[in-house]
Amino acid sequence: AQSVTQLGSHVSVSEGALVLLRCNYSSSVPPYLFWYVQYPNQGLQLLLKYTSAATLVKGINGFEAEFKKSETSFHLTKPSAHMSDAAEYFCAVMGLGGSQGNLIFGKGTKLSVKP
Amino acid sequence: KAGVTQTPRYLIKTRGQQVTLSCSPISGHRSVSWYQQTPGQGLQFLFEYFSETQRNKGNFPGRFSGRQFSNSRSEMNVSTLELGDSALYLCASSSSGGTRETQYFGPGTRLLVL
Repeated sequence: AQSVTQLGSHVSVSEGALVLLRCNYSSSVPPYLFWYVQYPNQGLQLLLKYTSAATLVKGINGFEAEFKKSETSFHLTKPSAHMSDAAEYFCAVMGLGGSQGNLIFGKGTKLSVKP
Repeated sequence: KAGVTQTPRYLIKTRGQQVTLSCSPISGHRSVSWYQQTPGQGLQFLFEYFSETQRNKGNFPGRFSGRQFSNSRSEMNVSTLELGDSALYLCASSSSGGTRETQYFGPGTRLLVL
């Protein structure tokens, strides 16, 4: 069965610093992976997705993620944090087999950006 | 193109009551999925509908049910509400629910059970 682990429920960075949010997945077959962002009192917005094309995926708002099969990781990065990046970020894997058609989410990482 | 809409946005109910939530997908999308978000359990999949048929179901009790209409709009019903049902309920739509497709989320319905 697929699963997702996000290391660190809270991450705090200074404005202008590198953002690194960690995601590791468990899947017996090549996964389809997603990063979503959730602002307070809002739904989820897709940042980027990996569907077995290029391993380095670029998303919106300057975010990117690299798929590393050997490390079963799909970490999210942004070179320079902005105050507006403060939100909760969720990594998700698409279910396969019996769970096809639904997203399996990590617990989320809340990002704080200090001025 | 309008996004996914959910109504109502906020709801307060008491234990034992039932509630119906509504979701209108993006025009042309035929797959609608429902998720429950709570601080303790995070985001959990409830069920998915495609062309008026439930195609996939998560591990929730039978008190949680849903349906989809011919125009792809979907409703979710929770009967005999419990305090633990307090959550943000999110609806997501995609074109056909394929594994490579992006799911677009609505703003959610926040349900409080007293």
